[in-house]
Amino acid sequence: NAGVTQTPKFRVLKTGQSMTLLCAQDMNHEYMYWYRQDPGMGLRLIHYSVGEGTTAKGEVPDGYNVSRLKKQNFLLGLESAAPSQTSVYFCASGRSETQYFGPGTRLLVL
Amino acid sequence: AQSVTQPDIHITVSEGASLELRCNYSYGATPYLFWYVQSPGQGLQLLLKYFSGDTLVQGIKGFEAEFKRSQSSFNLRKPSVHWSDAAEYFCAVGLTGGFKTIFGAGTRLFVKA
Repeated sequence: NAGVTQTPKFRVLKTGQSMTLLCAQDMNHEYMYWYRQDPGMGLRLIHYSVGEGTTAKGEVPDGYNVSRLKKQNFLLGLESAAPSQTSVYFCASGRSETQYFGPGTRLLVL
Repeated sequence: AQSVTQPDIHITVSEGASLELRCNYSYGATPYLFWYVQSPGQGLQLLLKYFSGDTLVQGIKGFEAEFKRSQSSFNLRKPSVHWSDAAEYFCAVGLTGGFKTIFGAGTRLFVKA
C-alpha cells in the first residue's frame, strides 16, 4: 500500500497562475481532506469530502476549489494564485475519526 | 466553539529526560482525541488516540497520553526522550459524527544531548 500520495511535492507559481494539486489514496477510504499548514497556526481545513461526488467547505475555503470524481482521488485547485496561498498543503484520508496524511506539497506563490 | 490549545510553542528537553506536552480542548460532547507527530519535511503520523474506555492510552514509539475530563486535557508523556523524538507534535479533537478534526497549533520539541 502506498497510503496517501500527493503530487507535486513542490511548486512555484506566479500570482494569478492556476494549478491543481492531486491527492490519491489506496485504502478505500470514504473521507478525504485538504489542509493547509502555516507557521504557528497548525492545520486548517480547506475542503473535505465524505464520499465520491461530494465536497464541502472547511474552515478556509476561499480561493480554492475541489473535486472528487473518483473515490481514490481528491483534487485541490487554485484558479488564480495569490501570495497568501503560499503554504504547505496536506491531503488526508480516513474511514472514520482517524486520518492518514500524505507527505505534503510545498507551494510558493510569488 | 470547538478549539484545541497547546500552551507551549516549543519545549527543549535533554536526551533521557522525561517529557510532557500539554493539550487542552474545548468541546461540548465527548471528544475523540489524537496526538500526531510531524518530523521535518514529512506528513503527520498518528501517535495515539482516545475514543473511550481506559483514560490512559498507549501509543507508538513509547508515548502515552492521559485523558482528564475534569480538566479538559489530553497530555502526552514519554518517560525517556530520544534524540529522534525531536519533531513537532499536534494535539487534535475529532468531532462527533466522525469526519472533522480540529488541530492545535503544535508544540515543537527540541532534544539536547
